[in-house]
Amino acid sequence: DIVMTQTPLSSPVTPGQPASISCRSSQSLVHSDGNTYLSWLQQRPGQPPRLLIYKVSKRLSGVPDRFSGSGAGTDFTLKISRVEAEDVGVYYCMQGTQSPHGYTFGQGTKLEIK
Amino acid sequence: DVQLVESGGGLVQPGGSLRLSCAASGFTVSSNYMSWVRLPPGKGLEWVSVIYDGDSTSYADSVKGRFTISRDNSKNTVYLQMNSLRPEDTAVYYCAGEGSGSFYMWGQGTLVTVSA
Repeated sequence: DIVMTQTPLSSPVTPGQPASISCRSSQSLVHSDGNTYLSWLQQRPGQPPRLLIYKVSKRLSGVPDRFSGSGAGTDFTLKISRVEAEDVGVYYCMQGTQSPHGYTFGQGTKLEIK
Repeated sequence: DVQLVESGGGLVQPGGSLRLSCAASGFTVSSNYMSWVRLPPGKGLEWVSVIYDGDSTSYADSVKGRFTISRDNSKNTVYLQMNSLRPEDTAVYYCAGEGSGSFYMWGQGTLVTVSA
């Protein structure tokens, strides 16, 4: 099974400042079809998860452009250019490369406002 | 509006059973890979099971042999039959629709508590 490791697990950030979360997979997420199925989700307190980024860097419609994803192979990053109060929550990376035989989430990174 | 609505959660004793339902509107479950994902208290998201390509299914090792996913296309609903429940199955269970290897649609979740 692919293991997803996120760092940091907690990130206190001042509003208006940038934030960055790293995600590393235990093996390459490049699928045989050439795509890399790495996504980022946000879970605000008391809410279901929400997809932000799919296929490493594609932003879902309606997601603010301050969110961006990058990376390749086994190393990926979610960046928030200027954190806002509404960004508080837990962020997860997730691999779907093994779909439909398994999916794995990172442990989650709690973003807090200083 | 596109919506997934879970139901069926509750309090059950260890060894007991529950059936969760996920009713879809504005969205066709038969045309999509549909998964159940859970969030145990104080922990992170964990994928549980998926149904795809008709009646093909996959399960996480932690639930294999105890949980069964199914769908009723006439009701546009996905189910999760959970047997031999354990305290570690306590979680909020979400229904999710997949596209491009990502869970892009989520329900609000239903809480399952396994306790004596």
